[in-house]
Amino acid sequence: SQTIHQWPATLVQPVGSPLSLECTVEGTSNPNLYWYRQAAGRGLQLLFYSVGIGQISSEVPQNLSASRPQDRQFILSSKKLLLSDSGFYLCAWSVSRTGGIGYGYTFGSGTRLTVV
Amino acid sequence: QKEVEQNSGPLSVPEGAIASLNCTYSDRGSQSFFWYRQYSGKSPELIMSIYSNGDKEDGRFTAQLNKASQYVSLLIRDSQPSDSATYLCPSVGGGADGLTFGKGTHLIIQP
Repeated sequence: SQTIHQWPATLVQPVGSPLSLECTVEGTSNPNLYWYRQAAGRGLQLLFYSVGIGQISSEVPQNLSASRPQDRQFILSSKKLLLSDSGFYLCAWSVSRTGGIGYGYTFGSGTRLTVV
Repeated sequence: QKEVEQNSGPLSVPEGAIASLNCTYSDRGSQSFFWYRQYSGKSPELIMSIYSNGDKEDGRFTAQLNKASQYVSLLIRDSQPSDSATYLCPSVGGGADGLTFGKGTHLIIQP
């Protein structure tokens, strides 16, 4: 069965420090991968998605970046964190879609990031 | 811009009653619709998916889709305290597009 791993679960980082969050998927090949952020009291906001190795699409301009160095690995990074980067970061995967039908995502357990 | 509208609640329902959650979406190109449940501090969990107009039942849950009215709903029968959570109803078009989420409806089941 497919599983998605995301770590760390919680993170407290000072303003201006770098960030690296990692997500890996097991039990599937060539998944679509996504990074979402949920700020306090807000809905989920799509940050990045990837349909393959090295292919990254950004939805929202920000000081974050994403990379996909391997088929089942997705990394979210920042060179210098801002206070506004605090939030609940979620990685998700879905099967590659065919026929225009989208399949539901499976989310990882998330990383709660607090920038201080 | 794609949008999903939900009543943020809280929606309070007595235990054992039917909880009715509603969602409207703006993107007429949306083809797939989902209901996620999110407990406080946890990640969303997929509970229902629906692609065609009409009803889809799964245990105590029934999803209803009306594409012409751009409307999707979720009924929870015999509500339990464990159903207390925030419910999200994202939609998506074809391809690898991301899900478009609203803020969700906070459901409280009163024992």
